[in-house]
Amino acid sequence: SQTIHQWPATLVQPVGSPLSLECTVEGTSNPNLYWYRQAAGRGLQLLFYSVGIGQISSEVPQNLSASRPQDRQFILSSKKLLLSDSGFYLCAWNQGWGGGYTFGSGTRLTVV
Amino acid sequence: QKEVEQNSGPLSVPEGAIASLNCTYSDRVSQSFFWYRQYSGKSPELIMSIYSNGDKEDGRFTAQLNKASQYVSLLIRDSQPSDSATYLCAVYQTGNQFYFGTGTSLTVIP
Repeated sequence: SQTIHQWPATLVQPVGSPLSLECTVEGTSNPNLYWYRQAAGRGLQLLFYSVGIGQISSEVPQNLSASRPQDRQFILSSKKLLLSDSGFYLCAWNQGWGGGYTFGSGTRLTVV
Repeated sequence: QKEVEQNSGPLSVPEGAIASLNCTYSDRVSQSFFWYRQYSGKSPELIMSIYSNGDKEDGRFTAQLNKASQYVSLLIRDSQPSDSATYLCAVYQTGNQFYFGTGTSLTVIP
């Protein structure tokens, strides 16, 4: 069966510090991978998606970047965090277009 | 106009009642439809998917799709306190366009 791992679960970082969130998927190959952010009391905002190694599409201009160094690994990064980067970050995957997502357990990031 | 719209609620129903959650979408070419349940502080969990007009039942959950009216709903029969959560409607369109509603908060009162 497929599983998705996301870490860390909680993170408190000072403004201006770097960020690295990691997501891995097991039990499947060539998944579509996604990073979402959910601000408190708000909906899901798609940040990045990837259909293959090294292929990253950005949905919104922001202080973040993503990379996919391996087939089942997706990394979200920032060089300098802003207060507005606080939120609940979710990694997700699906197999092929049109299939429902499976989400990771999420990382709650607080920038102070 | 938002791609996917849901009433934010909160929706309160007594235990044992039917909870009805509604979602409308704007693009007629939408192909796949999903309902997610999100407990407070947790990530969304896929509970139902529906691809064609009509009803799809899974246990106490029934998803209903009406493409002509651009409407999808989720019925929860015999609601339990453990069903209290936010329910997200999601719509997939060709070209990797996947849209989420902002969710409806459901509270089941014991």
